[in-house]
Amino acid sequence: DAGVIQSPRHEVTEMGQEVTLRCKPISGHDYLFWYRQTMMRGLELLIYFNNNVPIDDSGMPEDRFSAKMPNASFSTLKIQPSEPRDSAVYFCASSPRRGQPQHFGDGTRLSIL
Amino acid sequence: QQQVKQSPQSLIVQKGGISIINCAYENTAFDYFPWYQQFPGKGPALLIAIRPDVSEKKEGRFTISFNKSAKQFSLHIMDSQPGDSATYFCAASTELTGGGNKLTFGTGTQLKVEL
Repeated sequence: DAGVIQSPRHEVTEMGQEVTLRCKPISGHDYLFWYRQTMMRGLELLIYFNNNVPIDDSGMPEDRFSAKMPNASFSTLKIQPSEPRDSAVYFCASSPRRGQPQHFGDGTRLSIL
Repeated sequence: QQQVKQSPQSLIVQKGGISIINCAYENTAFDYFPWYQQFPGKGPALLIAIRPDVSEKKEGRFTISFNKSAKQFSLHIMDSQPGDSATYFCAASTELTGGGNKLTFGTGTQLKVEL
C-alpha cells in the first residue's frame, strides 16, 4: 500500500519566493495534518483538515503560510513570501478516523537562502 | 500544559542491552500516548502506543510502561540492535474539536546502539 506521498523531497529557493509543498494522503483517510520540524522547536502541528475542511490552523506561524485541500487526495502548503527562518522539514500526515494513529510522509526539506 | 518532556536527549547502548527513554506530561486531558521512530531522511513512524487505562504494553522487543498517577511513561527496547539506532519521539494526544487527535511531541532521543 502506498503511504503518504510528499513532493518535492527537497526545495532550495531564495528569500521572497513562493514555495508550494504538496501532499497526497493515504486513500480513505479522513484527516490530514501538516507539521514542521526544526532543531529548535521540534515537531509542531501547523494545521489539520477533516474531510477536506480546515479545522484548526492555530499553529500556522504567520499569514505568509496558507494550506488548502481541494479534494480528498491532495493538499498543499504554501509560503509566500518565504523567509530564511522558514527553513525546516515539513511533514504531512494522515489518519483514517478519530482516535487512529497518524501516518507520516517522508517530508520536504526546505531551505530558504 | 501542553508540553511533553523527554529524556535523555541522546543515548548510547551496547548491542543486546536495554534502551530506556522517559517522558513526562502535565495535561491530564491527554488520552493516547504513542511512540514514534524516525530514521534520517524519513518521516516519524508509529512504533507502539498505549492508552491511560493500561499500565504496560508490549510488542516484541518494545514495551511501554505507563504511570498515570506520576504522569510519566517510558519506552523500553530490549535486546537493542544496531538497526534500532534512530531518533525516538514520545507523544501525547488529545482529541481535537473537529475530531482527530492533536499530537504533542517530546523533543526526541537519539539512540545509538553500538556493536
